Amino acid sequence: QQQVKQSPQSLIVQKGGISIINCAYENTAFDYFPWYQQFPGKGPALLIAIRPDVSEKKEGRFTISFNKSAKQFSLHIMDSQPGDSATYFCAASGGTSYGKLTFGQGTILTVHP
Amino acid sequence: GAVVSQHPSRVICKSGTSVKIECRSLDFQATTMFWYRQFPKKSLMLMATSNEGSKATYEQGVEKDKFLINHASLTLSTLTVTSAHPEDSSFYICSAGLAWGYEQYFGPGTRLTVT
Repeated sequence: QQQVKQSPQSLIVQKGGISIINCAYENTAFDYFPWYQQFPGKGPALLIAIRPDVSEKKEGRFTISFNKSAKQFSLHIMDSQPGDSATYFCAASGGTSYGKLTFGQGTILTVHP
Repeated sequence: GAVVSQHPSRVICKSGTSVKIECRSLDFQATTMFWYRQFPKKSLMLMATSNEGSKATYEQGVEKDKFLINHASLTLSTLTVTSAHPEDSSFYICSAGLAWGYEQYFGPGTRLTVT
């Protein structure tokens, strides 16, 4: 009920391409869905987040698509750059886990020049 | 804004000793701080939730007597790993939550190595 399943585990994209990472959740009480970017040896950095009252949110090259009925959300990175190579985590929070984040398993993104 | 610092960034200690890690919110007051542990190439595992002025709430399976958490002020939480053993070696990360939302901002992490 509390799990967030993330796929793929790893992703290789050419420079300029679109990177797509998907997450699915079970707990319908979740109402906050952030994405974090983590570089090796560093803490995660909040990238973009969405609440279920909207189906899409865009910030620069990063877009979250949210499908409430399917209980899925995804991160799209447009015009992917080598500097985007990092591990990306989706997460969810809400309901009885207010304030606590449940993380997905992570996706290692590699963008080739 | 929303900067969280951790100190130290790296620490090496001998087995049986205790180590304290500090987590500070630099430009905001954090009513809630969280402590995570991360193994190589793995996701973040929540260890405990810390609210200012009250006892920390530990996740199932986390030994509260081994991982002592103190949240003495709205900008400082500490994690003390007591009687550390090599299996406690890990990357420890704190985060701080804004009082009015779900946003959590993470510190840079502390690499603990127990020899």
